[in-house]
Amino acid sequence: DADVTQTPRNRITKTGKRIMLECSQTKGHDRMYWYRQDPGLGLRLIYYSFDVKDINKGEISDGYSVSRQAQAKFSLSLESAIPNQTALYFCATSDLGTGFQETQYFGPGTRLLVL
Amino acid sequence: TQLLEQSPQFLSIQEGENLTVYCNSSSVFSSLQWYRQEPGEGPVLLVTVVTGGEVKKLKRLTFQFGDARKDSSLHITAAQTGDTGLYLCAGATQAGKSTFGDGTTLTVKP
Repeated sequence: DADVTQTPRNRITKTGKRIMLECSQTKGHDRMYWYRQDPGLGLRLIYYSFDVKDINKGEISDGYSVSRQAQAKFSLSLESAIPNQTALYFCATSDLGTGFQETQYFGPGTRLLVL
Repeated sequence: TQLLEQSPQFLSIQEGENLTVYCNSSSVFSSLQWYRQEPGEGPVLLVTVVTGGEVKKLKRLTFQFGDARKDSSLHITAAQTGDTGLYLCAGATQAGKSTFGDGTTLTVKP
């Protein structure tokens, strides 16, 4: 079984709709992240959480919100989807090792299309 | 904001050729990771380098961390079609957060 799972894997929605992307992990990591990736580009951080009571904005948090329901679950919401939020969304987890060697483990991604 | 610049952005080569991609920053990182992402999948860690000047080898892939821990390179010897993908570098700071570069898209043609 995959350590980091994302649901749904694909989603088509209309402008103005509220949608939620979910992420679950079985790695027991405290840290969880949401990124978006646009064609030909790297990863841009939306939100991150270092533990259940910690939520931090990333570089592109406008238009998004998150909820850390438990150590294993971190969901991303688009309150009112717009077409430029069409992208591939990745959830990741990490556990900061010794010497600050942070390795992130990524889910398979959710492909979102906003019409 | 700590930026990581990767070059080249796109690279297309024939199978059997050698190549090097670069990851540069003006910031010092406590460690640096290289990930590879295949189409339709999430990035997967290839290697972590920690010590300035460190060289790590993973079969045909050679990774080097700069002496000042601000830059890194990935060299692939005798590229194969299976090496095709997006290569991402990520630098970790002592604050415990990673910054990703924009990636190098590598295409290896048969």
